[in-house]
Amino acid sequence: KAGVTQTPRYLIKTRGQQVTLSCSPISGHRSVSWYQQTPGQGLQFLFEYFSETQRNKENFPGRFSGRQFSNSRSEMNVSTLELGDSALYLCASSLVRGSTDTQYFGPGTRLTVL
Amino acid sequence: GENVEQHPSTLSVQEGDSAVIKCTYSDSASNYFPWYKQELGKRPQLIIDIRSNVGEKKDQRIAVTLNKTAKHFSLHITETQPEDSAVYFCAASMNQAGTALIFGKGTTLSVSS
Repeated sequence: KAGVTQTPRYLIKTRGQQVTLSCSPISGHRSVSWYQQTPGQGLQFLFEYFSETQRNKENFPGRFSGRQFSNSRSEMNVSTLELGDSALYLCASSLVRGSTDTQYFGPGTRLTVL
Repeated sequence: GENVEQHPSTLSVQEGDSAVIKCTYSDSASNYFPWYKQELGKRPQLIIDIRSNVGEKKDQRIAVTLNKTAKHFSLHITETQPEDSAVYFCAASMNQAGTALIFGKGTTLSVSS
C-alpha cells in the first residue's frame, strides 16, 4: 500500500505571496492532519480534516486554512506569507475506525519564504 | 488546551546503555500517547504508543509507561545501538481518535559506540 504523499516537496516563495500544499493520504484513510515543524517550535498541530470537515484546529492565524476533498486528499493554503512561515509542513493520515488509530506522516513540504 | 513537556532535550549515552525520556501532559482527558522517532531529513515514524487504559507496553527493546494520576509517561530504550540515534517526540492526543497530536519539543538522542 502506498504511503502518504505530499506535493510539492520544496517551495520557495516571497513575503506576501500565497501557497497551496497538497497531501494524499494512504488509501482508505479518512483523516488528514497538518503539522508545522520548525527548529524553534518543534512539531505543532495546525488542523485536522475528517470526511471533508475540519474537526480540530489549533491557534494559528487565519492565514492558514485547509480543505479536504471527497477522495480524502487534503490541501493547506497559507495566504500573505511571512518570513516566520518558513518551515517543514507535514501531513499525517489515519484510518479512524471508531477508536484511536495510528497517524502516518508524509515526507513533508519544505517551504522557504524570502 | 493540551500542553506536553518533554525532558531532556538532549541525551548522550554509550552503546548498550539504557535511555529514558520523560513527558508530562496537562489535559487529564487525553487518552492516547504515541512516541515518534525522526531521523535527520526523514519523516516521523511511530515507534510505540500507549492508551490510557494501559500502564505499560513493551516492544522488544522499547517500553513506554504511563502514570495517569501524575499525568506523565516515559519512553525506555534498553541496549541502545548507534542506529537509535535520532530525535524522539512524545505526544498526547487532543481527541479520542488520536488524530490531533500535541507534541513535546523533542529529545535528541546520541548513541556513541
